[in-house]
Amino acid sequence: QVQLQESGPGLVKPSETLSLTCTVSGGSISNYYWSWIRQPPGKGLEWIGYIYYSESTNYNPSLKSRVTISVDTSKNQFSLKLSSVTAAETAVYYCARNWGASGNPTRVDYWGRGTLVTVSS
Amino acid sequence: QSALTQPASVSGSPGQSITISCTGTSSDVGGYNYVSWYQQHPGKAPKLMIYDVSQRPSGVSNRFSGSKSGNTASLTISGLQAEDEADYYCGSYTSSSTYVFGTGTKVTVL
Repeated sequence: QVQLQESGPGLVKPSETLSLTCTVSGGSISNYYWSWIRQPPGKGLEWIGYIYYSESTNYNPSLKSRVTISVDTSKNQFSLKLSSVTAAETAVYYCARNWGASGNPTRVDYWGRGTLVTVSS
Repeated sequence: QSALTQPASVSGSPGQSITISCTGTSSDVGGYNYVSWYQQHPGKAPKLMIYDVSQRPSGVSNRFSGSKSGNTASLTISGLQAEDEADYYCGSYTSSSTYVFGTGTKVTVL
């Protein structure tokens, strides 16, 4: 059973960079797409972006200029960096696996438990 | 990309059937048979309930079913139970190879 666990600071100052890591266990990071998704308190889900194990990426156009997702296959981990954050980006951040029989990332089938990141001075 | 449009809330009595709609465009919902539905209980991570419009992952009750017509997908919950009370989100792969979620629907069991 694939399990994902987010880790990183729970508090980030405005204008600074949010950094999170997701550790994948119970399966290889290879041959899948890996996503970051966030959910502000009381609000809906927003897809941030994904990375393929080969390091190709795709990002939400609204965040593209500030987002970097990277992967470390040797550690079975992938990471998120979001720069110049504001208080409005306080949210639960989820890491997740995207997969599809077509070879495209057409569904999110495994999710981490999520980690709350608060943006505040 | 814009979020897919869902009704804010849907309610039903135990044993009834309810349907949640998810409206997108020809660049997402209408363009591919890659619509998924997720169930989220308070304080929990979302759970995949339906993928590829109408497919159920192993372990998901057959009371959950999905369909699509044009740019609108639908999730039907039949034989509504108290445990079905949760938020539901649709999601779709897009023509830009990105992913987009719906606005979310709160299901209340009366």
